[in-house]
Amino acid sequence: GQQVMQIPQYQHVQEGEDFTTYCNSSTTLSNIQWYKQRPGGHPVFLIQLVKSGEVKKQKRLTFQFGEAKKNSSLHITATQTTDVGTYFCAGTMTTDSWGKLQFGAGTQVVVTP
Amino acid sequence: KAGVTQTPRYLIKTRGQQVTLSCSPISGHRSVSWYQQTPGQGLQFLFEYFSETQRNKGNFPGRFSGRQFSNSRSEMNVSTLELGDSALYLCASSQVGERGEQYFGPGTRLTVT
Repeated sequence: GQQVMQIPQYQHVQEGEDFTTYCNSSTTLSNIQWYKQRPGGHPVFLIQLVKSGEVKKQKRLTFQFGEAKKNSSLHITATQTTDVGTYFCAGTMTTDSWGKLQFGAGTQVVVTP
Repeated sequence: KAGVTQTPRYLIKTRGQQVTLSCSPISGHRSVSWYQQTPGQGLQFLFEYFSETQRNKGNFPGRFSGRQFSNSRSEMNVSTLELGDSALYLCASSQVGERGEQYFGPGTRLTVT
C-alpha cells in the first residue's frame, strides 16, 4: 500500500487565502521532495529537504521537514490562480537505496478567484 | 539543454498485446526512473536504472520490465496488457550524486481496450 500519505486529497481555496498540505510516512525518510503538476502537465520539481527540522522558503511557499523525518508540510500564503495544480511529496525511505522515490497521492488544489 | 523526451506520446493497445515505451534522459543524466500515474493513485514507482543496471524496483508484476542502454536511454515493456494497465507512464531522469531532483518527461498515455 501507499507508504507516503498526503492530506488533504483535495483543497479548494479562495484566492488570497492560505493553505497547508501535509505528507506523512510510515518509515523514516532520507529526504523529502515536493513536486507540482499542472493540469495536463508533468511533475515539476519544487524543492528538496534533507535535514531534520529543515525549513525552506520559496516566495509564498514554505516547506518543512519534521524532526523525526517522517513528515513534511507545504504551506502556501496568499494563494493565486497560478497555484492551481496537484502537489506531490516524494521521499526515499532510509531502508531503500537512493533512487527509489515513493510518491504520495497528491493534493489537488483548486483556486477560486 | 533538451529535456526528457518520451515516445510515443499516445498509444492504444488491445488486451493481451505487449507494448514498449521509450525514454531519452537529459544529456549527462545517468539515472532513469519509470512511474505509472493513474487518477487517485498518484505516481507509483516502477523501477530505476543506473548504468544499464536496474538498481531499484517497485511492487509491480513481472509483466513490467525495462532496460537501459549505454547512452542512458531507457525502455520499458509491458507484456500481456490488461485493462488496468491504462495509465500515464512517466519517465524521469536525474544526476546521481546531485540533489537527486527528478526531471520528468511529458509521459506516454497508454490506453488498453
